[in-house]
Amino acid sequence: EVRLLESGGGLIQPGGSLRLSCAASGFTFSNYAMSWVRQAPGKGLEWVSGISGSGAVTYYADSLRGRFTISRDNSKDTLYLQMNSLRAEDTAVYYCAKVDYGDLGSFDIWGQGTMVTVSS
Amino acid sequence: QSALTQPASVSGSPGQSVTISCTGSSSDVGGYNYVSWYQQHPGKAPKLIIYDVASRPSGVSIRFSGSKSGNTASLTISGLQAEDEADYYCSSYTSSTTVGFGGGTKLTVL
Repeated sequence: EVRLLESGGGLIQPGGSLRLSCAASGFTFSNYAMSWVRQAPGKGLEWVSGISGSGAVTYYADSLRGRFTISRDNSKDTLYLQMNSLRAEDTAVYYCAKVDYGDLGSFDIWGQGTMVTVSS
Repeated sequence: QSALTQPASVSGSPGQSVTISCTGSSSDVGGYNYVSWYQQHPGKAPKLIIYDVASRPSGVSIRFSGSKSGNTASLTISGLQAEDEADYYCSSYTSSTTVGFGGGTKLTVL
């Protein structure tokens, strides 16, 4: 069974840092690009960042470039999102998603999400 | 502000058809055939129901169909069922090598 499991969310103070992880199973992880998508409480989906299967190419939403860093460890079948200088508006459920084909194609598999709350 | 524009809500009675629009620009929806649609039930992760404008993943009901004309993509749900009540989101690849999502449409089955 293809599965994605996020972890690392929690309550963090403004200005703090957090690293999210997404453990993949059931498919050849290195063959597929991955992305992070977030959803603020009661709001819509927002694409955050993407990374190629090899990890050599990364993509970011313009509004987040410079604060967030996406990476992957194909030896551990794990995707990461390093989030720095966190703000209240970063509060959201963060989903990792497998890309069907290409680097920024459709997201055919989603994790259950991990909640990040930025508050003092 | 979302990159793509969707109606906030649509509704229909069981058995009817509804169409949800997704309007972008020539830099996203109109420029590429990489439009996807997702269904999200409350408290659940999104589920891919249409990719590449009009293709359906394996296991998705044939009642869901997609199309595109110019800068506007559309999702049509025919033979509405109670279980179709959910939020629906469109997305598109953009010329900035990013992915844009619509603001989402809440479908109510009357």
